Formats: sequence, structure tokens, C-alpha cells
Amino acid sequence: KAGVTQTPRYLIKTRGQQVTLSCSPISGHRSVSWYQQTPGQGLQFLFEYFSETQRNKGNFPGRFSGRQFSNSRSEMNVSTLELGDSALYLCASSLGGGPKNTEAFFGQGTRLTVV
Amino acid sequence: AQSVTQLDSQVPVFEEAPVELRCNYSSSVSVYLFWYVQYPNQGLQLLLKYLSGSTLVKSINGFEAEFNKSQTSFHLRKPSVHISDTAEYFCAVIKNSGYSTLTFGKGTMLLVSP
Repeated sequence: KAGVTQTPRYLIKTRGQQVTLSCSPISGHRSVSWYQQTPGQGLQFLFEYFSETQRNKGNFPGRFSGRQFSNSRSEMNVSTLELGDSALYLCASSLGGGPKNTEAFFGQGTRLTVV
Repeated sequence: AQSVTQLDSQVPVFEEAPVELRCNYSSSVSVYLFWYVQYPNQGLQLLLKYLSGSTLVKSINGFEAEFNKSQTSFHLRKPSVHISDTAEYFCAVIKNSGYSTLTFGKGTMLLVSP
């Protein structure tokens, strides 16, 4: 069974640009969550999608958005990039059918550097 | 809301020594508890979890954690560490009902030296 795939693995962008990150979950998983990981803040929850609907959202500005497609693949978009957006962005997939099905499987992440 | 506190940001230890990584949580409702491990340049991998039943849970590579409801703790232990255990360890919780998301602690870097 293939794991969670995130593309690209590394990305360098300039302040003010926008970026789109992609996540392909494990086959059969309907929930995809996104996290931002930085040395100072640790892992912070961005949002979760389940069956194409945003089910939960963290405390991030509206510049951070996402969507999920009918095949459960998800994209995350960050507009008007700031230096502080430099981070490892992790995607996690799970069955999503309730708390016991929330065992999350993580991708290797996308390392975004904003210069 | 839930919160997780990992009391140590770094734990240095010699190979073959025992180790304990501490995790305390706060929640007004019952939770499930998890430990994840992150090796350099990798995503997180589930190490072990407590959902119900025996409060002592074990992983296949020698780690164990004990859920203590009265002390709201879920400390991770290993009796003898290896160099290969060097990694960052994250404790996480989730409400055990309804739909919610994992809340992570800030992580503990375990540094094993020869």
C-alpha cells in the first residue's frame, strides 16, 4: 500500500508570491489534514478536509487555504508569501470516520523557504 | 480544547541507558493519546497509542508508555536506547468522541550518544 505522497519536497519562493502544495493520501483514506512545522512553534494545525469539505480549521490567516478533490487528493495554497511562512508543511491522511479512525499517517512534508 | 505539554525540549542520553520522555495533557473531556517519532527530514510515524484498555502500551521497538488519568500524563520510556533512536518525539491527544483533530506537544529531541 502506497503511503502519503507530498509534492514537491522542496520549494523556494519569493516574498509576495503564492504557492500550491499537493498531498495524495493513502488509498481509501477520506480525511486529509495539514500542519505547519517550525522550530519555534512546533506542529500547528492548519485545516482538515473530509470528503471534499473542510471539517476543521486552525488559527491561520485567510492567506492559507486548501481544497480536497473527489479522489481525496488535497492541495494547500498560500498567497502573498511572507518570510515567516518558511516551514515544513506536513500532510496527514486517515480514514476519518471517527476518533478511533483518526490514526494519522504522515507524508514526508514539503520544505518551503521564502526569501 | 486540549493542550499537550512536553516538559523537555531535549534529552541527551548515552547508548544503552534508560530514558523517559515526559508528556502531560489538559482536557475537559476524555481523550486518546499518541506518541509519534520524526527522524531527520522525514514525516511523523506513529510509535504507539492509547485508546482504551490496559494503560500500559508498547511499541515493537521497545518503547512503552503508560496512561495515568489522575496525573494526566502519558510518559514514554525505553529501558535501553540505541543510537538509532535519535529523533524527535511528539506526544499528541484527540477527543475520544465527535470529530476533532490531533493536538501535538512541541516535541522532545532525544539525542543518543555512544
